[in-house]
Amino acid sequence: EDKVVQSPLSLVVHEGDTVTLNCSYEVTNFRSLLWYKQEKKAPTFLFMLTSSGIEKKSGRLSSILDKKELFSILNITATQTGDSAIYLCAVGTISNTGNQFYFGTGTSLTVIP
Amino acid sequence: GAGVSQSPSNKVTEKGKDVELRCDPISGHTALYWYRQSLGQGLEFLIYFQGNSAPDKSGLPSDRFSAERTGGSVSTLTIQRTQQEDSAVYLCASSLADSGIYNQPQHFGDGTRLSIL
Repeated sequence: EDKVVQSPLSLVVHEGDTVTLNCSYEVTNFRSLLWYKQEKKAPTFLFMLTSSGIEKKSGRLSSILDKKELFSILNITATQTGDSAIYLCAVGTISNTGNQFYFGTGTSLTVIP
Repeated sequence: GAGVSQSPSNKVTEKGKDVELRCDPISGHTALYWYRQSLGQGLEFLIYFQGNSAPDKSGLPSDRFSAERTGGSVSTLTIQRTQQEDSAVYLCASSLADSGIYNQPQHFGDGTRLSIL
């Protein structure tokens, strides 16, 4: 059974701290791994990773994928209160009907001023 | 519109009633997904439409759930004889069709919060 596991489930840090969120997966026909940030409503897209070892970076956020060990990490440096959200990891696979995405339960991040 | 639009944003109904949830994807996006998100849970896949192909219904939890997508654009998710365990946020996402080997990210709507009394 395909699955995506995120850790930790929740995290509380102070502004300025650096955090690392983890996503491990077991899927067949892997195509991509995606990170989303979900605040109050719609998840918003952060990164899509398809190749191992290539870091994607956007401001204070960065992510990398290890296809051998089947995991990805999302780093946030110099955290701000606006980073407080649920961070979702999803893995895209190929099925005989097209593309399928499996989501983890998310990591709830709270940044305290 | 600029993004994925879902309606209603909130729906409260009595157990046993039928409900219809609507999703209007981003113009030009041929792939459309429905998910369910319960409190403290991840996104649970429900159904996937890709162009004119038969939908992938493998995630629908029971035969009370059905969805259609007319004209390759707007989709409706119907839940018949609602039960309290159907209470959740129902999220719709759309994406461009695959281009060669490259995936396209999903873009989500704000969801419909469904509460069954």
